[in-house]
Amino acid sequence: SAVISQKPSRDICQRGTSLTIQCQVDSQVTMMFWYRQQPGQSLTLIATANQGSEATYESGFVIDKFPISRPNLTFSTLTVSNMSPEDSSIYLCSLGGGAGETQYFGPGTRLLVL
Amino acid sequence: GENVEQHPSTLSVQEGDSAVIKCTYSDSASNYFPWYKQELGKGPQLIIDIRSNVGEKKDQRIAVTLNKTAKHFSLHITETQPEDSAVYFCAARALGGSQGNLIFGKGTKLSVKP
Repeated sequence: SAVISQKPSRDICQRGTSLTIQCQVDSQVTMMFWYRQQPGQSLTLIATANQGSEATYESGFVIDKFPISRPNLTFSTLTVSNMSPEDSSIYLCSLGGGAGETQYFGPGTRLLVL
Repeated sequence: GENVEQHPSTLSVQEGDSAVIKCTYSDSASNYFPWYKQELGKGPQLIIDIRSNVGEKKDQRIAVTLNKTAKHFSLHITETQPEDSAVYFCAARALGGSQGNLIFGKGTKLSVKP
């Protein structure tokens, strides 16, 4: 399976600021996704990162709050904008997930907003 | 849409005993059911998955069973070891939604006591 890395691994941010999280994969992948895991909770899909076009967002998530870039088949970024304490979560990059494909997750970025 | 229920939320066993975690799903069209293990401070790690054309799959001490008629699937861990202690998530793929939209259960915190 592909190796997934995320930067930063963790951060503490002030409310009102923005943080950009990077996801790097060691091989080209078609499908990349961003998930959120709130403290003690399960995983929720934020959006599908589409290469060369705008991301596809799930209900409850909007581009202004979570802009996503995917300039190529090995890299994607998620920005958490105008943060509030409610944004404190683990943000996870994921790949695979096509028809019949196994889906893998990165190590996550642990975000605390004060 | 798809809904996944997972039980129990916490499970404590003695080392060497077996552990069973059960999940039910609502969308009869779902056909992919992975299980993830998440250790503290890490991203979810795929441990086993099953597709709807298979009733049971085994990998060493881990097995998963699927009953499509009843719409439930279970994770079985035999001869548990302290390193099995983690949070386990089941998931089902919602075919009608985004390709990456695995719908997750709420997780089971497994504690294996030496």
